[in-house]
Amino acid sequence: DTGVSQNPRHKITKRGQNVTFRCDPISEHNRLYWYRQTLGQGPEFLTYFQNEAQLEKSRLLSDRFSAERPKGSFSTLEIQRTEQGDSAMYLCASSGDSYNEQFFGPGTRLTVL
Amino acid sequence: QQQVKQSPQSLIVQKGGISIINCAYENTAFDYFPWYQQFPGKGPALLIAIRPDVSEKKEGRFTISFNKSAKQFSLHIMDSQPGDSATYFCAPQAAGNKLTFGGGTRVLVKP
Repeated sequence: DTGVSQNPRHKITKRGQNVTFRCDPISEHNRLYWYRQTLGQGPEFLTYFQNEAQLEKSRLLSDRFSAERPKGSFSTLEIQRTEQGDSAMYLCASSGDSYNEQFFGPGTRLTVL
Repeated sequence: QQQVKQSPQSLIVQKGGISIINCAYENTAFDYFPWYQQFPGKGPALLIAIRPDVSEKKEGRFTISFNKSAKQFSLHIMDSQPGDSATYFCAPQAAGNKLTFGGGTRVLVKP
């Protein structure tokens, strides 16, 4: 399968715990995006990378959130001190330099108890 | 999400009928106008997209109509099929960067 993969698919955690998600983009894509989708809503942009450089961060990305793409390949999204309001589907997408189409992974569903 | 407004929130159509979804935007920097389709438990997938130099694009049963002066674009699904039952999002984009999603339209096609 050469699509975007995300792990884990589901994560249940207690409030106050830290969680980390991983995204593996399509191999030749140098742009990687993170979005958050709550139930019944459209995805909201969080941040994006071109290669290893983080080029834009949404104001939704509080200081409890951090994203990395250390070698310009896979990316991780960490949420520290989780809150119930962080419960959502976290989606990763990738695209090539010359293309606008973003290819989405299946998402990681986070539930904070 | 306020800069992209999508309507209706949901619609029910009979098999063979036409589904029409509308999207209004504010940001004149948008230069790429896609519609994404999402099934439960899956990530969104590109369905069809248009650039502002054309007013209409058709791919099979799916058509985008684009009105630059009104800052609106719409998705028409012809001969709707039960397999088209999904949530549809408009998600205009500026300069190849982030997508700005509308609130979504849940479409149910009844057999």
